[in-house]
Order: sequence, then structure tokens, then C-alpha cells
Amino acid sequence: GQNIDQPTEMTATEGAIVQINCTYQTSGFNGLFWYQQHAGEAPTFLSYNVLDGLEEKGRFSSFLSRSKGYSYLLLKELQMKDSASYLCAVLDSNYQLIWGAGTKLIIKP
Amino acid sequence: DGGITQSPKYLFRKEGQNVTLSCEQNLNHDAMYWYRQDPGQGLRLIYYSQIVNDFQKGDIAEGYSVSREKKESFPLTVTSAQKNPTAFYLCASSVVTSDHNEQFFGPGTRLTVL
Repeated sequence: GQNIDQPTEMTATEGAIVQINCTYQTSGFNGLFWYQQHAGEAPTFLSYNVLDGLEEKGRFSSFLSRSKGYSYLLLKELQMKDSASYLCAVLDSNYQLIWGAGTKLIIKP
Repeated sequence: DGGITQSPKYLFRKEGQNVTLSCEQNLNHDAMYWYRQDPGQGLRLIYYSQIVNDFQKGDIAEGYSVSREKKESFPLTVTSAQKNPTAFYLCASSVVTSDHNEQFFGPGTRLTVL
């Protein structure tokens, strides 16, 4: 079956750095997405990786290793507004998105 | 402004009643999707459509129905056959390409069946 694993919850301090990991086992791979979702709201797109390596976008970076079935989202200079769930999703061989359960990130002052 | 709208944001229904959730987009996207989200779980695909007058079942289609009569609209009906309909429902749309088909989401409808 298809499976995406992320930690359920993480806690970090304002101003610090946090890394959210995602491992996947899917039937084929056509890219990996990270989305941010605040409670009760819609997910919003953060990043897309299809090649190995690091993609940097401001305070957020996303890394992919296809051989290891692994990705991480790195958030720097954490702000209180970064408190949200972070969803990892993989585009499988049928170009359907397979979603992880999400990681709830709690930022403490 | 282009985007996706869902209405209403909160919906209450009695058990045994059918209810239809609306989803409209003006992004000119060909593909539209319906997801269900339950606490502590990822998004689960109910139905999707890549072209007008055609749609496909997702992983949890039982108890749901859809139509795609217009490119802009993809309403979801939650029927009385759905055993546990209380959930957060998200509609999304995307272009249909071979890669990077980023999905754009509507604000969601929280359905509570009493």
C-alpha cells in the first residue's frame, strides 16, 4: 500500500529552527508537496520538490532524497504565526496526491 | 480575484437527510477534487474530475455523489448512505499537466450531522 509518515506533533521556540520530516512509500513518484494548514482553514501551498536536493524559499526550505523516500521541511526564524499543521503529499504514478496526516507545529514564546 | 469558493462554511443537518456542498472556481482549472478531513488524519480523496461531464471515484466515494456540468462548478452531495458524514470537507482545483499540478483549496465546509 501507499504510506506517508510524519510526526504527529512538534514543539519549538519562537526564533528557533525546526525540521519536519516526511518519509514515503508510494506506487511511483512524480513530486512531493508541502502545504501549511492553520486550524479550521484550507491548506496553502509551500513548496514542491521533484529532484533531489534543497529548495529554499525565504524562511522555509524543503529537501528531497528520492532514493531514501525522504523529505524534510525546514523552518527558520520561527514566528508565532507559523503555528499550524504541515502536510506532506506525494504525487504518485497516476498523478494523484497521497497525503500524510500532517504535523502539528506548536510555537512557544 | 481568482479563487475557489465553498459555501456554506458551517452546515448542520439531521441524520438521514441528503445535503449538497457547493464548490465554484474561477481559475479556469480543468481538474477539481473533493477531500474529507477528519481530526488526526490526512486528506482523503472522495471524488475528482479532470474534465466537464466526467468524474472518478477516489478512495472513499461510498455515500457521496458529484456532478460536473460546468467547468467552474463541482458540487458534492453527502447522501444518507454515508455512515459518518460529520467532517471538514475541502474542495480543490488544479491544472491538468504531467507534473507540478499544485492544488488550490477552497476555505472548506464543516458539516455536522445531528
